[in-house]
Amino acid sequence: QVQLVESGGGVVLPGKSLRLSCAASGFTFSVYDMHWVRQAPGKGLEWVAVISHDAASQKYADSVKGRFTISRDSAKNTLFLQMNNLRPEDTATYYCAKVGITGTDEVFFDFWGLGTLVAV
Amino acid sequence: SYVLTQPPSVSVAPGKTATITCGGHNIGVRNVHWYQHKPGQAPVVVIYYDTGRPSGIPERFSGSNSGNTATLTINRVEAGDEADYYCQVWDRGGDHLYVFGTGTKVTVL
Repeated sequence: QVQLVESGGGVVLPGKSLRLSCAASGFTFSVYDMHWVRQAPGKGLEWVAVISHDAASQKYADSVKGRFTISRDSAKNTLFLQMNNLRPEDTATYYCAKVGITGTDEVFFDFWGLGTLVAV
Repeated sequence: SYVLTQPPSVSVAPGKTATITCGGHNIGVRNVHWYQHKPGQAPVVVIYYDTGRPSGIPERFSGSNSGNTATLTINRVEAGDEADYYCQVWDRGGDHLYVFGTGTKVTVL
């Protein structure tokens, strides 16, 4: 069965960095684009970033562009989010999510992890 | 950027029907997906591409999309349906490529 397990969250001071990981299993990781989505306390879901299945393309929400970097290691079935110059407004639970279909950008997310909490 | 507006809350008695709307400009030409999110759990897709229902999702869940409103309908509501529900679309060229609605808290009375 598909499993996504995030880790790496914690408490950091503004301006500092944090690296999140998402360990994937139960599917062919290298075939699917992967995303990060976050939820601030008491707020709704906000899309953060996407990386293509082959790591050739990365796209970001304007709110994190230039500060966050999404990457993946398909040999280790792991997704990453490097977060630099963190701000208090980045405080959120960060979820990794797998897309439900390949070959298009117009996707939905068919599996999500439980998330990891980042407090800035 | 594209904005999706949902009612903050919907209350429904067990066995009745819950209707959750997702308003957006000309949303009927977009593909809409719906997620159920319970506290402490991973979000779950309950409807994809307007009307598709993933395996394991009860037939009580259905979706529609036309004009400026997409709708998630939950028939014969059960206590286990109590959760936050979010709609989502793709917004090519937007500041967020993937836009979520504001979310609706469904309370089962």
